Amino acid sequence: AQSVAQPEDQVNVAEGNPLTVKCTYSVSGNPYLFWYVQYPNRGLQFLLKYITGDNLVKGSYGFEAEFNKSQTSFHLKKPSALVSDSALYFCAVRDMSNYQLIWGAGTKLIIKP
Amino acid sequence: DTAVSQTPKYLVTQMGNDKSIKCEQNLGHDTMYWYKQDSKKFLKIMFSYNNKELIINETVPNRFSPKSPDKAHLNLHINSLELGDSAVYFCASSQGGRAYDTQYFGPGTRLTVL
Repeated sequence: AQSVAQPEDQVNVAEGNPLTVKCTYSVSGNPYLFWYVQYPNRGLQFLLKYITGDNLVKGSYGFEAEFNKSQTSFHLKKPSALVSDSALYFCAVRDMSNYQLIWGAGTKLIIKP
Repeated sequence: DTAVSQTPKYLVTQMGNDKSIKCEQNLGHDTMYWYKQDSKKFLKIMFSYNNKELIINETVPNRFSPKSPDKAHLNLHINSLELGDSAVYFCASSQGGRAYDTQYFGPGTRLTVL
């Protein structure tokens, strides 16, 4: 069965420190992977996606994600966290049988000043 | 300009009522979606339309009926509202329904059924 897991419900990081939000997936075939961010009382905003090519994908707001095929992971990273990065982050993978997105449960990122 | 818009933003209603949520996208996309986000923030696809035709219809009670008058609009009508329908409903759109297409989301409609 195809699935995506975000193993951490919450991640706490001090402002200025690097941050990582973890995502692992299980799909048949080549994965199409996405990261979205949801600020409080807002819709989801697209951050970045991996389709093919370079394993390091750069996205909006200084975020990047590293695709690791052997570890079936697609972790979201940022070199220096901002308090304004505090939000709920969702990883998603495309189900190639019906092209639906399979969503992770979300990780709450808290950046402390 | 708002790319994907939804109205209303908040909807408070009594059990048993019928209500509609409207969605419009000005991105020129061919595919639109409705998602439900529950109180634990889990996202669940409800429907997907491509060029006004239904292509995904997940296990959703038939009290929920999507209507797409044109490819820029996808409205959600809910009959006989129940307490369990309380959630945030998101509309989204994408260029097509291809694997690499990015979905763009509206701001959400918070539905509260009393």
